[in-house]
Amino acid sequence: GESVGLHLPTLSVQEGDNSIINCAYSNSASDYFIWYKQESGKGPQFIIDIRSNMDKRQGQRVTVLLNKTVKHLSLQIAATQPGDSAVYFCAENPGNFGNEKLTFGTGTRLTIIP
Amino acid sequence: DTEVTQTPKHLVMGMTNKKSLKCEQHMGHRAMYWYKQKAKKPPELMFVYSYEKLSINESVPSRFSPECPNSSLLNLHLHALQPEDSALYLCASSLRENTGELFFGEGSRLTVL
Repeated sequence: GESVGLHLPTLSVQEGDNSIINCAYSNSASDYFIWYKQESGKGPQFIIDIRSNMDKRQGQRVTVLLNKTVKHLSLQIAATQPGDSAVYFCAENPGNFGNEKLTFGTGTRLTIIP
Repeated sequence: DTEVTQTPKHLVMGMTNKKSLKCEQHMGHRAMYWYKQKAKKPPELMFVYSYEKLSINESVPSRFSPECPNSSLLNLHLHALQPEDSALYLCASSLRENTGELFFGEGSRLTVL
């Protein structure tokens, strides 16, 4: 079946630098994408979402970019802080259900180096 | 109150035991979810309740039995589990069923001996 995948399983970034986490998806019917952050010992936390009619969406220190042509999603975190260390999951709505049926990608572990 | 509360945080049970996981939210959310997460893996959807009715069952074995007594509570009844069912069980809620913004609890870590 189709699934959401990530290019890199781990990423280390110097504190204060920007980080980019990538995600590839294969289901062309997917129309809604979400990034979640999961800190150790906690449940996932919603960061930002984007619909397929958009290419870019910005939040506080985060930007999500969507390239539908190559089915690629990225999360940019600006001026990283120690608290950004976590596993980041992209998730997609496969397009044939309401948004309650999300498929999570495999996750990228981001480590911020002090 | 913007929390999803799960109890217990840790549970150890034998394969013949019957136990329950509980989840509670007071945000007025009308959709509630159970996810299973194995170590170093993404969450996998198990069940979705929408307006207190089961709307999605992802072909979960019958040894897992969900229950939604009211709009604030979600239970997961466990019976005759297998060691491979050991995992972190996450409860989540969302304001309505057509949003991807889920609020997760911290999970119940289950060990089946």
